[in-house]
Amino acid sequence: AQKVTQAQTEISVVEKEDVTLDCVYETRDTTYYLFWYKQPPSGELVFLIRRNSFDEQNEISGRYSWNFQKSTSSFNFTITASQVVDSAVYFCALSEAEGAAGNKLTFGGGTRVLVKP
Amino acid sequence: DVKVTQSSRYLVKRTGEKVFLECVQDMDHENMFWYRQDPGLGLRLIYFSYDVKMKEKGDIPEGYSVSREKKERFSLILESASTNQTSMYLCASSLQGDPAYEQYFGPGTRLTVT
Repeated sequence: AQKVTQAQTEISVVEKEDVTLDCVYETRDTTYYLFWYKQPPSGELVFLIRRNSFDEQNEISGRYSWNFQKSTSSFNFTITASQVVDSAVYFCALSEAEGAAGNKLTFGGGTRVLVKP
Repeated sequence: DVKVTQSSRYLVKRTGEKVFLECVQDMDHENMFWYRQDPGLGLRLIYFSYDVKMKEKGDIPEGYSVSREKKERFSLILESASTNQTSMYLCASSLQGDPAYEQYFGPGTRLTVT
């Protein structure tokens, strides 16, 4: 069975500090996708980034960057120079590659980020 | 602008009542999902549907049923609500055929069963 673990339940930082969110996953699939979603106080989850299991190249997109390491089954996410608007709950998720739907997601427990001015 | 809407943001029901949660998407997506969100547990999949009248159980289907009579609409039904079904319920939709497709979420319905 697939499993996603986010060990950090809550992180509090001061604006402009960097924030790194940890995510560790378990899967028997050789092909899979990893996602990060953001849930602001309004409640609606918003897709941020995705990475497939064959591409371990780390990337930067604006203030977001991610570090995917297949050897340690980790998919960590960093917000650089945090802003108050980054305050939200962040979820890491894993997508199965098999099945009729092809994209059932298994979510981690979420990490609440509080950015103080 | 893509949109997933849910019929209520907040709902209060009594134990034993039949509860309907409605979800509508306007993106012509084949897949639709119902999750419940509880603190520390993240989102857990209740049911999903990959076509009209087609459904599959997720990880926690007990106590729930679903209905998909039209492509754009996916309903979650609590046949006899219980207090342990007090939770946030999130609906999502996505294209089909590639596990890379992201899911689009509605704003959620916070259900309280008293």
